Amino acid sequence: GAGVSQSPSNKVTEKGKDVELRCDPISGHTALYWYRQSLGQGLEFLIYFQGNSAPDKSGLPSDRFSAERTGGSVSTLTIQRTQQEDSAVYLCASRRDAGTPNEKLFFGSGTQLSVL
Amino acid sequence: AQKITQTQPGMFVQEKEAVTLDCTYDTSDQSYGLFWYKQPSSGEMIFLIYQGSYDEQNATEGRYSLNFQKARKSANLVISASQLGDSAMYFCATAVSRTSYGKLTFGQGTILTVHP
Repeated sequence: GAGVSQSPSNKVTEKGKDVELRCDPISGHTALYWYRQSLGQGLEFLIYFQGNSAPDKSGLPSDRFSAERTGGSVSTLTIQRTQQEDSAVYLCASRRDAGTPNEKLFFGSGTQLSVL
Repeated sequence: AQKITQTQPGMFVQEKEAVTLDCTYDTSDQSYGLFWYKQPSSGEMIFLIYQGSYDEQNATEGRYSLNFQKARKSANLVISASQLGDSAMYFCATAVSRTSYGKLTFGQGTILTVHP
């Protein structure tokens, strides 16, 4: 597609369940980023991929959070044993590469996660 | 670590007038980028403008310009001739070259309301 695609757009889950959030970046973009947006914490970086490798996972809040990217394309963010504080909008973004300064970062519309 | 401060939680402006959104940053890195993003009520993050730390001239993109004052660590966004469609949340962000220019540290945002 033309833009960054995320699915599902909304996810409601029960505390303790696992969830998977999917991101389909713009074709040809080698760098992919996950962010989280919540009222209390604002916009936070979680992890980024260059190709299928994740050079920086420093923003993942706990070991319940993991992410992978396959084929240099689709990425999945997995949250295990969800907690209420995980409720947020999870945003995915991509750019042509990680290092060029003035490359635009294109965001998806996000997945609104609600943990009951 | 980088830090972005946006001191204006909300701003109001009359249609067709100019408005300045404040942003100050803190970083010990010499090579960094400054970004502004717009987030309308639809939730998508839209790239507006980029300024590199070594750029001597202020960046401009259409009605948007960035007033970059390096010594003061200030990167204010100026929107000229405001339009009703400019009503949105605006985020200032920074990234440093030693990591990835897509790994952004965001401010808390400023809600801009444009009155007819």
